[in-house]
Amino acid sequence: DAMVIQNPRYQVTQFGKPVTLSCSQTLNHNVMYWYQQKSSQAPKLLFHYYDKDFNNEADTPDNFQSRRPNTSFCFLDIRSPGLGDAAMYLCATSLSGGETQYFGPGTRLLVL
Amino acid sequence: SQQGEEDPQALSIQEGENATMNCSYKTSINNLQWYRQNSGRGLVHLILIRSNEREKHSGRLRVTLDTSEKSSSLLITASRAADTASYFCATDGTSNTGKLIFGQGTTLQVKP
Repeated sequence: DAMVIQNPRYQVTQFGKPVTLSCSQTLNHNVMYWYQQKSSQAPKLLFHYYDKDFNNEADTPDNFQSRRPNTSFCFLDIRSPGLGDAAMYLCATSLSGGETQYFGPGTRLLVL
Repeated sequence: SQQGEEDPQALSIQEGENATMNCSYKTSINNLQWYRQNSGRGLVHLILIRSNEREKHSGRLRVTLDTSEKSSSLLITASRAADTASYFCATDGTSNTGKLIFGQGTTLQVKP
């Protein structure tokens, strides 16, 4: 089945230790998104790629970076995780911008 | 700031009852979407309604859109315990930025 896959489902890292979260899709969608979601809050968009074009949200900290080496994969790099970065990170895709988004199951990040 | 405001924040009903959730937004839109999120999971798309549509149905779901009031409602009829989840509305705006802005969500509990 076509889907959005996120690995790992749970990630534990240490304060300040770089961590990479991965997302892959078999939908061949043009757009890939990364969201941060904290407990009982709405998903907050960090950035998105439209094909190879990177679009950063104005309030996304510099600590967060992303790479999209090809259509299928997108990575979220957190260079120096702080305690406040503990959250669920959701990857989503859409065929084109503004249309239905298909979400992965998320990666829950714990920072010790 | 969040585009969507949802009301109520939490809703608790008995199985078999109907559940109504409301969403208000601030700017013009191309479409409005509703998503569901089970605890600790990714979001699942439920329904998309375009700005030129007033009502849309999908199974037990009924969505209305009032662009003059900048509001939408999601009605779940004959609710089931499995409908227990958080429900989010999301709007795209008309700027074709390719992103959705999510409301704060309504947490629905359906008691068996």
